[in-house]
Amino acid sequence: QKEVEQNSGPLSVPEGAIASLNCTYSDRVSQSFFWYRQYSGKSPELIMSIYSNGDKEDGRFTAQLNKASQYVSLLIRDSQPSDSATYLCAVKVEKLTFGTGTRLTIIP
Amino acid sequence: DTEVTQTPKHLVMGMTNKKSLKCEQHMGHRAMYWYKQKAKKPPELMFVYSYEKLSINESVPSRFSPECPNSSLLNLHLHALQPEDSALYLCASSQGPPPGLYEQYFGPGTRLTVT
Repeated sequence: QKEVEQNSGPLSVPEGAIASLNCTYSDRVSQSFFWYRQYSGKSPELIMSIYSNGDKEDGRFTAQLNKASQYVSLLIRDSQPSDSATYLCAVKVEKLTFGTGTRLTIIP
Repeated sequence: DTEVTQTPKHLVMGMTNKKSLKCEQHMGHRAMYWYKQKAKKPPELMFVYSYEKLSINESVPSRFSPECPNSSLLNLHLHALQPEDSALYLCASSQGPPPGLYEQYFGPGTRLTVT
C-alpha cells in the first residue's frame, strides 16, 4: 500500500467551478499535511498546510483534514485557468512523503 | 519572505565531470534538504541537514556528496554521474528539522542533464 495516494487525473474542471482534490495516507501517526502546486517545469510551491481536523481556508483554497479517515482534501473555489497545474499532497511523519500528484486542468 | 535560491538553473555535464549545485536561504531556517525529481514523479528526498549536520541520507549513491558550509548554504557535489541521474534537483528549507511540524519551501531547482 502506498503511503500517500492521490488520483493522478487528469481532472478537468470548468472555469469558475469548484475543483476538489483528494488524498489518503496510510500512517496514522502523521501530524502535518501539505498541499503543493507545481506548474510544468517548475518547482513545488506550498499553498496550504493543515495540522488539525476540520477545514482551513486561505482565499480561494480550503484544506480539509479527517484524521480518523486518514483523508485530506483541497478545494479550489472559482477555479481559474492559472490554477491548471499538478497538485501534490504531502504528509509528514519523520520526513515529508509526497503523493504522485493530481494533474488539474481548468477549462475556459 | 520565503525565498530559496539555487544555482545554476540548468547544468549539462559529462559522466566524467565534477560539478556542484548551490542552494541558499536567508530565512534563518535550520533545516535544509536536497530532493531529486524525475519527470511526472513526485520529489524524492536525498539528504537532510539539521543545524548544519547531516541527519538523513536516503541511501544515495556516493557520486552525490552534500555539504553544508553554514546555516544558509547547501551544496551538492556531483562526480561520475550516470545518464539516469538526469533530473530536476530541488533544494528546500524549513524553520526546524523533521519530524517537527514545519513547512518546507522549495527553491526553483537545477535542471541537470548528464550526457
